Amino acid sequence: EIVLTQSPATLSLSPGERATLSCRASQGISNYLAWYQQKPGQAPRLLIYDASNRATGIPARFSGSGSGTDFTLTISSLEPEDFAVYYCQQRTVWLTFGGGTKVEIK
Amino acid sequence: EVQLVQSGAEVKKPGESLRISCKYSGDSFSNRWIVWVRQSPGKGLECMGIIYPSDSDTRYSPSFLGQVTLSVDKSMSTAYLEWSSLKASDTAMYYCAKTRSANGYSDFDYWGQGTLVTVSS
Repeated sequence: EIVLTQSPATLSLSPGERATLSCRASQGISNYLAWYQQKPGQAPRLLIYDASNRATGIPARFSGSGSGTDFTLTISSLEPEDFAVYYCQQRTVWLTFGGGTKVEIK
Repeated sequence: EVQLVQSGAEVKKPGESLRISCKYSGDSFSNRWIVWVRQSPGKGLECMGIIYPSDSDTRYSPSFLGQVTLSVDKSMSTAYLEWSSLKASDTAMYYCAKTRSANGYSDFDYWGQGTLVTVSS
């Protein structure tokens, strides 16, 4: 099983700041990585697929990068609605998610 | 627009059976896989299994094989997740979602609203 490790577990930032979230895979997964946002009481929402492609309707402040084992989700300037939990997900050997990073208001 | 609408919350006792549903609309039901995802209280996301409605090809996570059954009714554009004997540890929110690509090993671009299952004596 491929394990995805997300860091940090919690990121405390202010609106307008840049957020950098990390996802590391236990073995190489090419670019087969997606990022999701989940707010309390809501289903996850697809943000990024294949490491760097924004899903339909996702604002340009969200960007993804990486390949192999190390991936990054960047939110260039946090909006109030961006404070949420973010998960990465790989789709090579089965389908697994990382443990999540909570982006909270500082 | 694609929509997945799940059945309502359930409260069950250990040992009881349960089937929850996920009704798909807005696109062809048959040409994308449907995944079921578990989110236990305060925890992350786990893919339980995927099913291809066109031919009912089904793949299970090793963690859930033998514990649940996935099925579809193509005539109703509905997918199902079923337990024959619930345990307290099955208490969780369950989501269905549609794969973005026709490949079962994909990411998921449309999600249901979730069904909360509570198992308690």
